[in-house]
Amino acid sequence: DAGVIQSPRHEVTEMGQEVTLRCKPISGHNSLFWYRQTMMRGLELLIYFNNNVPIDDSGMPEDRFSAKMPNASFSTLKIQPSEPRDSAVYFCASSRDGMNTEAFFGQGTRLTVV
Amino acid sequence: GENVEQHPSTLSVQEGDSAVIKCTYSDSASNYFPWYKQELGKRPQLIIDIRSNVGEKKDQRIAVTLNKTAKHFSLHITETQPEDSAVYFCAAYGDTGRRALTFGSGTRLQVQP
Repeated sequence: DAGVIQSPRHEVTEMGQEVTLRCKPISGHNSLFWYRQTMMRGLELLIYFNNNVPIDDSGMPEDRFSAKMPNASFSTLKIQPSEPRDSAVYFCASSRDGMNTEAFFGQGTRLTVV
Repeated sequence: GENVEQHPSTLSVQEGDSAVIKCTYSDSASNYFPWYKQELGKRPQLIIDIRSNVGEKKDQRIAVTLNKTAKHFSLHITETQPEDSAVYFCAAYGDTGRRALTFGSGTRLQVQP
């Protein structure tokens, strides 16, 4: 398996624009997570899906952030409108079953909002 | 919710020495404690994990100890090598409350050759 695949690897956008980050989890994994990493706040869980259903989205910063998982092999994280403070590395991770099994991280998307 | 404190924030050791990173957690119901290693510009990767039914686990040069009473767990790396240089994150997960994996703030380990 190629592991968790994220796209794009890098994204530079202007404030106010919509940004969509994409993730393909490892086949057979039923849990998917979106994390945000910054120097100030470290690794933060944004949202957690189990069997394509959002289980916990309490980490989503505000209504500008939304995430979907239309099927077992694809998820998106959308920011609309984007702001400079959204600049961070966004990681997608998947695990075989829930948060108490090994999470495999994607390469991350480095987002810069100018 | 769960709160995970990690110390130290930076650690510098000589090649061949041991390194110890410590974490404390707040939720006594937490039962899963993984450690992730993140090299510069790379993704976090699991290096070892421990569950609350054991007190210690070892994998070659890496070991983790867990003290449930004191609510702390530690990562021990022996015979450190330059390739051990990275940021290490501890995390804790519990089946109550938010049921989320909470990460510590990270420790930047530098192994001097």
